[in-house]
Amino acid sequence: EAGVAQSPRYKIIEKRQSVAFWCNPISGHATLYWYQQILGQGPKLLIQFQNNGVVDDSQLPKDRFSAERLKGVDSTLKIQPAKLEDSAVYLCASSLDGRNTEAFFGQGTRLTVV
Amino acid sequence: QKEVEQDPGPLSVPEGAIVSLNCTYSNSAFQYFMWYRQYSRKGPELLMYTYSSGNKEDGRFTAQVDKSSKYISLFIRDSQPSDSATYLCAMSVQPWSGGYQKVTFGTGTKLQVIP
Repeated sequence: EAGVAQSPRYKIIEKRQSVAFWCNPISGHATLYWYQQILGQGPKLLIQFQNNGVVDDSQLPKDRFSAERLKGVDSTLKIQPAKLEDSAVYLCASSLDGRNTEAFFGQGTRLTVV
Repeated sequence: QKEVEQDPGPLSVPEGAIVSLNCTYSNSAFQYFMWYRQYSRKGPELLMYTYSSGNKEDGRFTAQVDKSSKYISLFIRDSQPSDSATYLCAMSVQPWSGGYQKVTFGTGTKLQVIP
């Protein structure tokens, strides 16, 4: 079974630039999550999709972050404009559904904003 | 006060030692408790999953939950160099019908097992 795929693995951008991350979840998984993991901290949920609908985006900084999941499969997370404090690993995860089932994580995209 | 507190370490132990990793939490509504292992430059992977209080054993790993003290532990017996990783505790409130889990993670404890 293929795991959660993310790209790119690494990205370095200057502040105020924009960046996009892509995620392909495990086939058949209805729930997709984007987490932000700052160095030395645990993952923080940014947004959770159930199929192509948003069920939780309460911690997503909506003035600069956006995410979409077209057709309920792949997802993109965008930051525009980036700030220095956005430097982190952005993890995508998926699960069969959002109720008590194991979430599988991708390897993450390491973003450095300079 | 953070909802979930975890000592970041690092924790360094000799091979074969028993390792104890711990988290405390403040939200008494948490019902599901998880431990994730995260190798360097990798995503977290689920190690153990327990519901409510009690112990759960899986090979060299034992997860323990004490809801009265709001304290959870992960014990690793006969630790191996391959256990060197960051261990994240995580927990969530039991979802009601139509609801979805929201998982809150600890900061993670970095463990190094020295051969």
